[in-house]
Amino acid sequence: AQSVTQPDIHITVSEGASLELRCNYSYGATPYLFWYVQSPGQGLQLLLKYFSGDTLVQGIKGFEAEFKRSQSSFNLRKPSVHWSDAAEYFCADRTDSWGKLQFGAGTQVVVTP
Amino acid sequence: EAGVTQFPSHSVIEKGQTVTLRCDPISGHDNLYWYRRVMGKEIKFLLHFVKESKQDESGMPNNRFLAERTGGTYSTLKVQPAELEDSGVYFCASSHGENTEAFFGQGTRLTVV
Repeated sequence: AQSVTQPDIHITVSEGASLELRCNYSYGATPYLFWYVQSPGQGLQLLLKYFSGDTLVQGIKGFEAEFKRSQSSFNLRKPSVHWSDAAEYFCADRTDSWGKLQFGAGTQVVVTP
Repeated sequence: EAGVTQFPSHSVIEKGQTVTLRCDPISGHDNLYWYRRVMGKEIKFLLHFVKESKQDESGMPNNRFLAERTGGTYSTLKVQPAELEDSGVYFCASSHGENTEAFFGQGTRLTVV
């Protein structure tokens, strides 16, 4: 069965430090991958997506992600985090042509001063 | 342009009562999805409408859940009777067509006591 794994449930990072969130997917065909963020009291906001083409994808809020087929990974990165990046981050894979998503368990990011 | 709107934002009901959640998708979006996240678990797909038709309801947990989308506009998700395990955050999302991103609402937090 198709699955999306986010190995890190919780990450603490200092403001200004770099951040990398891991995501692994399992599916034979070309994946359609997404990263969403949920800030406190907010809904899910799309940070970026990968359908095809350039494997390094730029998103909003200074985030980027790199698709690596050989590693079945789609890790999210940000060079320098801001306190406002404290949120929960979800990796997702589209499971059918209609757009149904399968989510990872989420990674909670805490930003310390 | 208004985003996906969900009502209410919070609901606390007693076990055995009925609750109806509402989702207003982005205007013109034919696809409407319901997802749910119970405490500590992943965000799980419930069902998908294309206009007023149920395309996929494979994620609906049981027959206490009834979703409708009259006229292909807004959708309701009724839980009757509610059980304790129904507590969680219910998300709605909409998208325009295939290979397009889904936009999520802020969710309805349902607490069954």
